[in-house]
Amino acid sequence: DGGITQSPKYLFRKEGQNVTLSCEQNLNHDAMYWYRQDPGQGLRLIYYSQIVNDFQKGDIAEGYSVSREKKESFPLTVTSAQKNPTAFYLCASSWRNEAFFGQGTRLTVV
Amino acid sequence: KQEVTQIPAALSVPEGENLVLNCSFTDSAIYNLQWFRQDPGKGLTSLLLIQSSQREQTSGRLNASLDKSSGRSTLYIAASQPGDSATYLCAGDNTDKLIFGTGTRLQVFP
Repeated sequence: DGGITQSPKYLFRKEGQNVTLSCEQNLNHDAMYWYRQDPGQGLRLIYYSQIVNDFQKGDIAEGYSVSREKKESFPLTVTSAQKNPTAFYLCASSWRNEAFFGQGTRLTVV
Repeated sequence: KQEVTQIPAALSVPEGENLVLNCSFTDSAIYNLQWFRQDPGKGLTSLLLIQSSQREQTSGRLNASLDKSSGRSTLYIAASQPGDSATYLCAGDNTDKLIFGTGTRLQVFP
């Protein structure tokens, strides 16, 4: 089954902790993206990567970090510098201008 | 800065009605446009992609059109069904990233 797998589905973070969200794809896509979704708002771009070992900041990159060491993997770390991390996080990949999404990770600060 | 508006924000209709969802961009320089469906707590499912050389796409009861001169797209849903209940999002790209609207929340009741 080809697709994008995000894990975990639910994640709880204590104040001051860093947490890492996993995103894996077996679609052989070069481009991958991380979005954040808050209630009543559209998706906002955090980071994106067009190719292995390269990535760019999106509109709300502060407090987040990423790596792209392998084509199929694009993990997102939510650092303690992110003051309001509670949100739904979506990972996507794209090919020929069409984007495909994972099922999301809901992060909650406790 | 590109902004995307979706109208209406919410819609509740009886089963069987034909529907029109609207999406407009502040910057009409859109290359490709994609419509998505999102069920509560889930990721996005791609419905239709209108490539830069196209003006519309059809899939089953869905038809999407794009008017680049005005920066507007329309999603038509024919003969709506309760299973169509979801949030519908449009997204356009004019560089290497997608810009999303805030969505139209659709409820179709029997």
